[in-house]
Amino acid sequence: QSALTQEAAVSGTVGQKVTLSCTGNSNNIGSYVVGWYQQISRGVPKTVMFGNSLPSGIPDRFSGSKSGTTASLTISGLQPEDEADYYCSTWDYSLSAVVFGGGTKLTVL
Amino acid sequence: QVQLVESGGGVVQPGRSLRLSCAASGFTFSNYALHWVRQAPGKGLEWVAASAYDGGTQSYADSVKGRFTISRDFSTNTLFLQVNSLRAEDTGVYYCARVMVGAISRPFDYWGQGTLVTVSS
Repeated sequence: QSALTQEAAVSGTVGQKVTLSCTGNSNNIGSYVVGWYQQISRGVPKTVMFGNSLPSGIPDRFSGSKSGTTASLTISGLQPEDEADYYCSTWDYSLSAVVFGGGTKLTVL
Repeated sequence: QVQLVESGGGVVQPGRSLRLSCAASGFTFSNYALHWVRQAPGKGLEWVAASAYDGGTQSYADSVKGRFTISRDFSTNTLFLQVNSLRAEDTGVYYCARVMVGAISRPFDYWGQGTLVTVSS
């Protein structure tokens, strides 16, 4: 069982807005910046968000936010190439470890 | 540009050892914390170990503590993961990942392409 909780699967149509969530506790999400990672077809993970900052080269239809112990990744204007597995992670100070969510499979219909 | 290139994976029998390497380039190696993250077949990402920017602090997942050792060579800009007493459940792709500048607790910004470790008799 993962320390961070993500939806197992989310789907949306092209152009739609979807939000993926990542829930933890005060030891992790409540205290540290959350990273979001996209993995297409089990390839190399790619960072698509850290906190609410967009890495260079990532389209601005991706945005991130956090409220208390839940972080969110929103994709506005969903595109076919966004279909992937998405993982969240952050540091947990009680564990002195990085913790990951179980991943969300995003399907673009 | 930032590059992380892993090597050293392979097929190994249970109980044996391997040393994984991650050659870093395109950034100042001594300014960044580096981590190892693995992914078992059909499973999600799992954090393995971390090394602070100066190599002075290491952290490990409970599942590998006492068996794996992370280290770095500042003369060759290489991160290592010594993996001992391998088990079938250690099978997977091992990725090297850099964090954003700053503390070991920062999110990852760059990932290597991974190296596959298969533990099988």
